[in-house]
Amino acid sequence: QKEVEQNSGPLSVPEGAIASLNCTYSDRGSQSFFWYRQYSGKSPELIMSIYSNGDKEDGRFTAQLNKASQYVSLLIRDSQPSDSATYLCAVRVYGGSQGNLIFGKGTKLSVKP
Amino acid sequence: DAGVIQSPRHEVTEMGQEVTLRCKPISGHDYLFWYRQTMMRGLELLIYFNNNVPIDDSGMPEDRFSAKMPNASFSTLKIQPSEPRDSAVYFCASSFSRAGRPGQPQHFGDGTRLSIL
Repeated sequence: QKEVEQNSGPLSVPEGAIASLNCTYSDRGSQSFFWYRQYSGKSPELIMSIYSNGDKEDGRFTAQLNKASQYVSLLIRDSQPSDSATYLCAVRVYGGSQGNLIFGKGTKLSVKP
Repeated sequence: DAGVIQSPRHEVTEMGQEVTLRCKPISGHDYLFWYRQTMMRGLELLIYFNNNVPIDDSGMPEDRFSAKMPNASFSTLKIQPSEPRDSAVYFCASSFSRAGRPGQPQHFGDGTRLSIL
């Protein structure tokens, strides 16, 4: 059973701090990794994708991928109350069809003013 | 650009009734996915299509669930008969394939919140 694991949280950080969200996956051959943000009562929204080892930065967001450790993380700098949401990690498994993603259950982030 | 469009947004019905959920993917996308989300189980893939053909329906929980995609711009997920344990948010998502670029992201509709009484 191919799995994606996330700490369910809640993760609580003060406004302005760095929030660090982590995700591990079981399939060593996984190739594509995504972070989605989901506000309460809303649909998942793609915020980052990463395909190769290392860091990828987009504004206040940085995705980090370490395939050897089967670990992907999302850093949110200068956290804002509007960042409070559930963050879903998604992985395309090796050998899976082009679009087949496995989602983690998400980490709930709370940014306190 | 229009995103993935789902209808209805909310559905409340009694146990035993037939429920039909509808989805219009983003134009040009060749993959369509149906998911179910609950607090206990998170986001679960039910079935997905490529070029209107069902590729993997192993996530469909029971024979009471069926999905069709008669053309590139429309898909339905049907539950017959419905049961209270089917209550969840059902999402449709779509993506497109791009040669040389693995695993394009999926774009989600707003979901249908289904309550079976």
